[in-house]
Amino acid sequence: EAGVVQSPRYKIIEKKQPVAFWCNPISGHNTLYWYLQNLGQGPELLIRYENEEAVDDSQLPKDRFSAERLKGVDSTLKIQPAELGDSAVYLCASSFRGTSGRDEQFFGPGTRLTVL
Amino acid sequence: SQKIEQNSEALNIQEGKTATLTCNYTNYSPAYLQWYRQDPGRGPVFLLLIRENEKEKRKERLKVTFDTTLKQSLFHITASQPADSATYLCALSNFGNEKLTFGTGTRLTIIP
Repeated sequence: EAGVVQSPRYKIIEKKQPVAFWCNPISGHNTLYWYLQNLGQGPELLIRYENEEAVDDSQLPKDRFSAERLKGVDSTLKIQPAELGDSAVYLCASSFRGTSGRDEQFFGPGTRLTVL
Repeated sequence: SQKIEQNSEALNIQEGKTATLTCNYTNYSPAYLQWYRQDPGRGPVFLLLIRENEKEKRKERLKVTFDTTLKQSLFHITASQPADSATYLCALSNFGNEKLTFGTGTRLTIIP
């Protein structure tokens, strides 16, 4: 079974430039998450999707960040314009919300963003 | 505000010994607690989930305890091996809320 796929793995941009990250979750997983992870810290949730609906985007800085999950499968996270403080690893995860109610999340390898 | 603390940033353990990692939380009433392993350059990998009404959960050489009175979870790796070296993250979620909040992680090194 293929895992969560993310691209690109690394991205270096100059500040004020736009950047986009792509995520393909595990087939059949209805829940998709985007996390931000700073060095030495745990992941912090940016947005959670149930199918194509964003059900928790309270931590997403909406002035510069946007996300979409078309057709409830792939997802894209965008930053425009990027700031120096956005340098971090952006992780995508997916899970299947079964009857147990709380399911493990499967993470992709992440995209390491460096803003110069 | 909610706070999750993992006992130390780094922990060195001799091979063959039991490694014990601690996760403490405040201002939180989690219904579920999960432990993940993260290797450098990779995303976290799920290890174990324990519910608030469970005291202990085991999986092979791993054991997790959950004490809602002490607001603490202990994660044990018995007969530790160098391959167990990684960062271990605890994560909590409330009942009725899907949001998973992660601790900062403990970097475990098993010394041969």
